[in-house]
Amino acid sequence: SQKIEQNSEALNIQEGKTATLTCNYTNYSPAYLQWYRQDPGRGPVFLLLIRENEKEKRKERLKVTFDTTLKQSLFHITASQPADSATYLCALGPPKAGNTPLVFGKGTRLSVIA
Amino acid sequence: EAGVAQSPRYKIIEKRQSVAFWCNPISGHATLYWYQQILGQGPKLLIQFQNNGVVDDSQLPKDRFSAERLKGVDSTLKIQPAKLEDSAVYLCASSLGAHASSYNEQFFGPGTRLTVL
Repeated sequence: SQKIEQNSEALNIQEGKTATLTCNYTNYSPAYLQWYRQDPGRGPVFLLLIRENEKEKRKERLKVTFDTTLKQSLFHITASQPADSATYLCALGPPKAGNTPLVFGKGTRLSVIA
Repeated sequence: EAGVAQSPRYKIIEKRQSVAFWCNPISGHATLYWYQQILGQGPKLLIQFQNNGVVDDSQLPKDRFSAERLKGVDSTLKIQPAKLEDSAVYLCASSLGAHASSYNEQFFGPGTRLTVL
């Protein structure tokens, strides 16, 4: 079965730096990958979706890359701010022509220190 | 636009008791999901509805969990009887599209935090 790993439980960075979070997966070829943000006591909030034929996607200070050869996605937050502190979840979509549900990783808890 | 509503927000019960959670998705969203999120883990899908039909319930412990989505709108998730390991946050989400392969983002409610003593 597919396995998804977000290989840092927690990441601390200084305000203004770029945060880079990693999502690796095995035994799978998803048609797309999504990233969500989750604050304590709240449900996840969708941030970005990247498809298997896209190398990179940007939205304001966020950038996501998707390397289907390495089976890895990187999520970057540039010019990080304390308000970016949250848990970030990656989620694998189904394979093309598949109908399996999203599979979420455990998340990486990001703390941006002022 | 109103978001996904869930109630109650918190529930404390003793093991072997029953509990029910309610979810009202975003208006017009065809697909509704129930997830279980244990502390420190990502959400795990329990059941997915498209309108009022079940699309995926492969990870639902059917001996104790049940869910329904009457009239293809609101949904309830029930646990009977509860076990200690059911302590978790139960998240409801909805999306416009029929299923995950339609690339739709999911909109999550605030969740219900269940504690089983």
